[in-house]
Amino acid sequence: EPEVTQTPSHQVTQMGQEVILRCVPISNHLYFYWYRQILGQKVEFLVSFYNNEISEKSEIFDDQFSVERPDGSNFTLKIRSTKLEDSAMYFCASSALQNTQYFGPGTRLTVL
Amino acid sequence: SQQGEEDPQALSIQEGENATMNCSYKTSINNLQWYRQNSGRGLVHLILIRSNEREKHSGRLRVTLDTSKKSSSLLITASRAADTASYFCATALYNFNKFYFGSGTKLNVKP
Repeated sequence: EPEVTQTPSHQVTQMGQEVILRCVPISNHLYFYWYRQILGQKVEFLVSFYNNEISEKSEIFDDQFSVERPDGSNFTLKIRSTKLEDSAMYFCASSALQNTQYFGPGTRLTVL
Repeated sequence: SQQGEEDPQALSIQEGENATMNCSYKTSINNLQWYRQNSGRGLVHLILIRSNEREKHSGRLRVTLDTSKKSSSLLITASRAADTASYFCATALYNFNKFYFGSGTKLNVKP
């Protein structure tokens, strides 16, 4: 069964460093998303992406964040200058048109 | 905020019993979905119910949706220890650009 994959599973970085989280969505899906979950808290929407542009973003998704679909398969989330409070699980999701969102296993980001 | 809110926050039952979790939301939705999350792991999709549906079944899962009350319930029948997880509802608006997740119900099924 097709699934969303994410790499790395765990990323440790120093405050102020740039990180890129990678996702490979399900191949025939058209909508792509990033969410994050701070330990013990809700899953929070960050951004949605369709037709090579951002459809919607939350207030969390400030200028430090960017997304890209550099080729036909990868979908990346870049954090330019990480802060301690960026430590969280980051989930990528994809969906076909107006359908279920399928989530990847997540990348645990630890900012020291 | 559109976010769904589940209750109870935590539920502990014996294996074989039924577990019922509720979700409430605030504005009109396109659909509502339930997800399961095992501790520290990803979100697994369980079931989707559209705004024009009232009830849906999938195996031991039964989901209801009452759009007049802006609420949904997830029933797990004949629970198993492997059902121990957190359960989240997620609502999608009509533009379908994002989901709003609730805080989740932490279910513990004791063997």
